Amino acid sequence: ETGVTQTPRHLVMGMTNKKSLKCEQHLGHNAMYWYKQSAKKPLELMFVYSLEERVENNSVPSRFSPECPNSSHLFLHLHTLQPEDSALYLCASSQGLRGQGISPLHFGNGTRLTVT
Amino acid sequence: GQQLNQSPQSMFIQEGEDVSMNCTSSSIFNTWLWYKQDPGEGPVLLIALYKAGELTSNGRLTAQFGITRKDSFLNISASIPSDVGIYFCAGQLNSGGSNYKLTFGKGTLLTVNP
Repeated sequence: ETGVTQTPRHLVMGMTNKKSLKCEQHLGHNAMYWYKQSAKKPLELMFVYSLEERVENNSVPSRFSPECPNSSHLFLHLHTLQPEDSALYLCASSQGLRGQGISPLHFGNGTRLTVT
Repeated sequence: GQQLNQSPQSMFIQEGEDVSMNCTSSSIFNTWLWYKQDPGEGPVLLIALYKAGELTSNGRLTAQFGITRKDSFLNISASIPSDVGIYFCAGQLNSGGSNYKLTFGKGTLLTVNP
């Protein structure tokens, strides 16, 4: 596979469930991102990892917990979510960070999350 | 924080027509990016602009980095049905310790009638 792969593509969960979103990039990039896409709103940056180190936590509630075990994999662990958390969650990767000549982001196809 | 005004919000055009959309900002950017998002998929990079005044083409797409560094436009010539989708602009400042942060517009929804 090439590019950025996200699983699952669709997820329906209750407010008491615990689930995880997975992202894998095959581009050799060293930075990975989680974005939230809601209807009629700009893409919202949630988390950024550079070389497996979290460099950004954009005031995201603690019910979202990211994990980056290596530069190719990124997870978003979900627990006790609210209905307003329903959205498309996009993973992205890039090469370079912080003045190293960052490349444009490459996005996965997202996970459509519905919280009931 | 920084905000981008992207317009129009939506467009309905006939196949073969040309399309123009733009983004403006109250603050400057060092990089402008244009993405397209098809239904059920993630955004795909169309054009990246790195220099004020730069004009770049990608097939039927042409984008320009405004000379003031506060705006950018995207033109699509001779539209075809597969041009349907949401087009996003994004600005990047590339300064200090947070050059990875992109500011996205809300998108332009393009519909092309065959």
